[in-house]
Amino acid sequence: DAKTTQPTSMDCAEGRAANLPCNHSTISGNEYVYWYRQIHSQGPQYIIHGLKNNETNEMASLIITEDRKSSTLILPHATLRDTAVYYCIVRSTGTASKLTFGTGTRLQVTL
Amino acid sequence: DSGVTQTPKHLITATGQRVTLRCSPRSGDLSVYWYQQSLDQGLQFLIQYYNGEERAKGNILERFSAQQFPDLHSELNLSSLELGDSALYFCASSPAVGSGNTIYFGEGSWLTVV
Repeated sequence: DAKTTQPTSMDCAEGRAANLPCNHSTISGNEYVYWYRQIHSQGPQYIIHGLKNNETNEMASLIITEDRKSSTLILPHATLRDTAVYYCIVRSTGTASKLTFGTGTRLQVTL
Repeated sequence: DSGVTQTPKHLITATGQRVTLRCSPRSGDLSVYWYQQSLDQGLQFLIQYYNGEERAKGNILERFSAQQFPDLHSELNLSSLELGDSALYFCASSPAVGSGNTIYFGEGSWLTVV
């Protein structure tokens, strides 16, 4: 699986946009970028994924650079409930396509 | 609610014992994954099943085994338990294999070995 690099921690003021970066310079052309988050010890929660194009859903937006070597997850209006560890994962292709979690970014949303 | 159901939510057992963790995948999902998360380690992939067959294996100990049944539910069996096996065990499911199929996680089973 392609390795990802994320900042260890970030802070964000409530109501502001949270922009979480991820580097994945060794990504292959057919590998997807997935984002999950884990709040306390709850199960990892799926946020969004993309291949080449930018994606948006009700939770977040995913911006993938043209060369696909990096991406940014955007939470448009962060709330205290968005405080969590966010994982950027490059998911391998093939029939076994498991998720390999790194250490993620701990996002702290403050008042 | 992801739709993935895990039981039991909490379990306390003694060293040397054996436990079984159960997972019901989302309706229609054919692929099941098991992960372990201990305090000092991140989420570690254990094993994957697809439609009853083993598809991928991670760093799963020989004392651990899993299976997926014809009704697609899965069980993770942990035997000869040690203190270090205390962890959160997550089950996840996806509709099919292939990296475009989103994987959804359950809320986990807390195992404490005393």
